[in-house]
Amino acid sequence: QSALTQPPSASGSPGQSVTISCTGTSSDVGAYNYVSWYQHHPGKAPKLMIYEVSKRPSGVPDRFSGSKSGNTASLTVSGLQAEDEADYYCSSFAGSNNLVFGGGTKLTVL
Amino acid sequence: QVQLQESGPGLVKPSETLSLTCAVSGYSISRGYYWGWIRQPPGKGLEWIGSIDHSGNTYYNPSLKSRVTISVGTSKIQFSLKLSSVTAADTALYYCARHFRGPDYFDYWGQGTLVTVSS
Repeated sequence: QSALTQPPSASGSPGQSVTISCTGTSSDVGAYNYVSWYQHHPGKAPKLMIYEVSKRPSGVPDRFSGSKSGNTASLTVSGLQAEDEADYYCSSFAGSNNLVFGGGTKLTVL
Repeated sequence: QVQLQESGPGLVKPSETLSLTCAVSGYSISRGYYWGWIRQPPGKGLEWIGSIDHSGNTYYNPSLKSRVTISVGTSKIQFSLKLSSVTAADTALYYCARHFRGPDYFDYWGQGTLVTVSS
């Protein structure tokens, strides 16, 4: 069982918005603004989409945004496109030199 | 452009030691950052294994710490993972990545290599 809880699946039609949640505890997500999100197309290298809760690396479309409230972080994908279909993983610093990931969410573009 | 490529045996016997290497190009390990290993068992989520910096400072996932050793090659163009006393539960896709410690994120990843533990 993963340390952070994500819904196994999410879906939306092209152009719509979808939000993926990532629930941790007061020792990880709730304690630090060090949540990151990764997009993974199977067979390819995972790609960093969001770091420090809401920051986007250069080259990541602004359709991707991150936020946090309490022990739950969220990734929102606006204006869904076919290429957004992938697995998404969250991670968080968990103190004591530990880092934890979520179990992943499969995003389907209908 | 930073590139990472994992390599190593795809099959390891139970109780033996899993050994993988990550070749880094486009960036010298000695310039900074941490460099980490992450794995994904079949059908499961990601798990951070541990990370190392150019000076050899390491930190490991507490749940794996007793079995993990990460080291940097003397040429500073590769780093390695050793995981001892493996069992079937260690069967996974193993990734190496550049680790920005502090904010704790991985900004460049390899494509991963599958390691199966089986007799």
